[in-house]
Amino acid sequence: KQEVTQIPAALSVPEGENLVLNCSFTDSAIYNLQWFRQDPGKGLTSLLLIQSSQREQTSGRLNASLDKSSGRSTLYIAASQPGDSATYLCAVTPAEKLTFGTGTRLTIIP
Amino acid sequence: GAVVSQHPSWVICKSGTSVKIECRSLDFQATTMFWYRQFPKQSLMLMATSNEGSKATYEQGVEKDKFLINHASLTLSTLTVTSAHPEDSSFYICSADPLLSGRSTDTQYFGPGTRLTVL
Repeated sequence: KQEVTQIPAALSVPEGENLVLNCSFTDSAIYNLQWFRQDPGKGLTSLLLIQSSQREQTSGRLNASLDKSSGRSTLYIAASQPGDSATYLCAVTPAEKLTFGTGTRLTIIP
Repeated sequence: GAVVSQHPSWVICKSGTSVKIECRSLDFQATTMFWYRQFPKQSLMLMATSNEGSKATYEQGVEKDKFLINHASLTLSTLTVTSAHPEDSSFYICSADPLLSGRSTDTQYFGPGTRLTVL
């Protein structure tokens, strides 16, 4: 059974700093990996999708990497802003079904 | 593009009543929609996969007679929580996998969620 873990569970950093969020998964037979953002009481916003054949994806200040063999992905956020405060979830797709990680609650301190 | 809506956004009901939640894909068609549940401070858990024109596929531990799913068209799936109880209070989120040229894109677009509170 696929298990997805995110460390740390919570993170607070001063505005302007670069930061890295980690995601690990136990079964490397994945189709793709996605990073999502969830604001309190809201739905999900997809940030980046990495296909299993890719190693990284970039969108603006966000860069996500994928290492299937080690079962790890990282989300790098450059020059953090208070608006980046949210919970970040990673999810892997073995077939169609997404398996979500436990999430990292990020707080950017102005 | 690829907008998914949910209605209602929140609902409060008495124990024992049934609640229907709608999930609509506004600008695309989807043969497959997914229903998730999220308890406070926990991640999303897949409840069931909704298939247009056929029965839904439920995840282990999810009661199909309690959580009725209907996917009557390519743009609408409904989740009915029957005889709701306080332990059913949760945040319910749907997602839809767009059809492109008749094939699934394997990318899910999420609705804004519905917060259910059962008194």
